[in-house]
Amino acid sequence: AQRVTQPEKLLSVFKGAPVELKCNYSYSGSPELFWYVQYSRQRLQLLLRHISRESIKGFTADLNKGETSFHLKKPFAQEEDSAMYYCALSRGTGANNLFFGTGTRLTVIP
Amino acid sequence: DAGITQSPRYKITETGRQVTLMCHQTWSHSYMFWYRQDLGHGLRLIYYSAAADITDKGEVPDGYVVSRSKTENFPLTLESATRSQTSVYFCASRVPGQETQYFGPGTRLLVL
Repeated sequence: AQRVTQPEKLLSVFKGAPVELKCNYSYSGSPELFWYVQYSRQRLQLLLRHISRESIKGFTADLNKGETSFHLKKPFAQEEDSAMYYCALSRGTGANNLFFGTGTRLTVIP
Repeated sequence: DAGITQSPRYKITETGRQVTLMCHQTWSHSYMFWYRQDLGHGLRLIYYSAAADITDKGEVPDGYVVSRSKTENFPLTLESATRSQTSVYFCASRVPGQETQYFGPGTRLLVL
């Protein structure tokens, strides 16, 4: 079975400070990992996917298969980063659905 | 973003009533999904559909019914609403072979 764990429900950081949102997963196959973000009063949207290996809005995430982690990082947090962040797992190409973690609410303090 | 819409955006109903949540997408994506979002649980899949007339259960299907007579529509029906079904419901869609899902704005449902 697959499982996505986000250990922090709430995370507060000061503007300009580094931020790391943790995500651990369990799955015996080769998963695809995603970060979705939900800003206030907006719909859930894709932020990052691990196979793209890109930086979006200053965020990066590296898939660590040894530690089964996919932590989301940004070196300097901005107020507009305040949002709900969900880590999600797909069982690979052709899989039918995503498995989401419980989410982390990030608040960036001015 | 206007490609996938949900209606109503807010709904209040009473225990035992039937309620249908609508989802419509204009992209002709073959896959569509229904999730519920609850504190402490994140998003959980209720039902999904790979194409018109093809639907399958997700993680929490009990108490829900779906249909997909047309590719663009994927209604979710609560046959006899219960208080535990108070939640925010999200519809999503995607293209086969691509894992990225596109979400609707959500429907906030309150069951009294």
